[in-house]
Amino acid sequence: DTGVSQDPRHKITKRGQNVTFRCDPISEHNRLYWYRQTLGQGPEFLTYFQNEAQLEKSRLLSDRFSAERPKGSFSTLEIQRTEQGDSAMYLCASSLFLGTSGNNEQFFGPGTRLTVL
Amino acid sequence: LAKTTQPISMDSYEGQEVNITCSHNNIATNDYITWYQQFPSQGPRFIIQGYKTKVTNEVASLFIPADRKSSTLSLPRVSLSDTAVYYCLVGEDTGFQKLVFGTGTRLLVSP
Repeated sequence: DTGVSQDPRHKITKRGQNVTFRCDPISEHNRLYWYRQTLGQGPEFLTYFQNEAQLEKSRLLSDRFSAERPKGSFSTLEIQRTEQGDSAMYLCASSLFLGTSGNNEQFFGPGTRLTVL
Repeated sequence: LAKTTQPISMDSYEGQEVNITCSHNNIATNDYITWYQQFPSQGPRFIIQGYKTKVTNEVASLFIPADRKSSTLSLPRVSLSDTAVYYCLVGEDTGFQKLVFGTGTRLLVSP
């Protein structure tokens, strides 16, 4: 399978604990995005990378959240001191951005469902 | 980014054609219109993208009138497996640095 993969698929944690999610994008894709989705809502943008550079962060990404893409390949999203409001599906997507007009389709992974008790 | 408005839900039967209309009155000159599909417990999946007139692929057609203030996603002869949430997004094609999703349209296809 050469699609976007995410690990773990499900995570249950207690309030106050730290959690880390991993995303492996499609191998030749230079852009990687993180979104969060709560029940009944569309995904909300959190942040994105071009190669290893983090180019934009949403205001939703509080100081408890940090994302990295150290070698421009896989990415991690860490949430420190989790709160019950962090319970959501965390989606990763990747795309190949060529810098010119054209289809910049984003390919999404299956998501990591986080439950904070 | 232009805001979009689409119906919250739609019902259909197998074999029918389904048309989902999206309003985007404030669309900008550089904006493209893109539709994504999402099944439960899966990430969204790109369906189709267009700028004006009509675009067709193996899955759907996208109709965009001359004023581009709305667009219609057309799904021919739907099946049960087309039951999903459909999102209409508007944004610059070269950018799409972030996708801005609304609440989407929940399509339920019944036998």
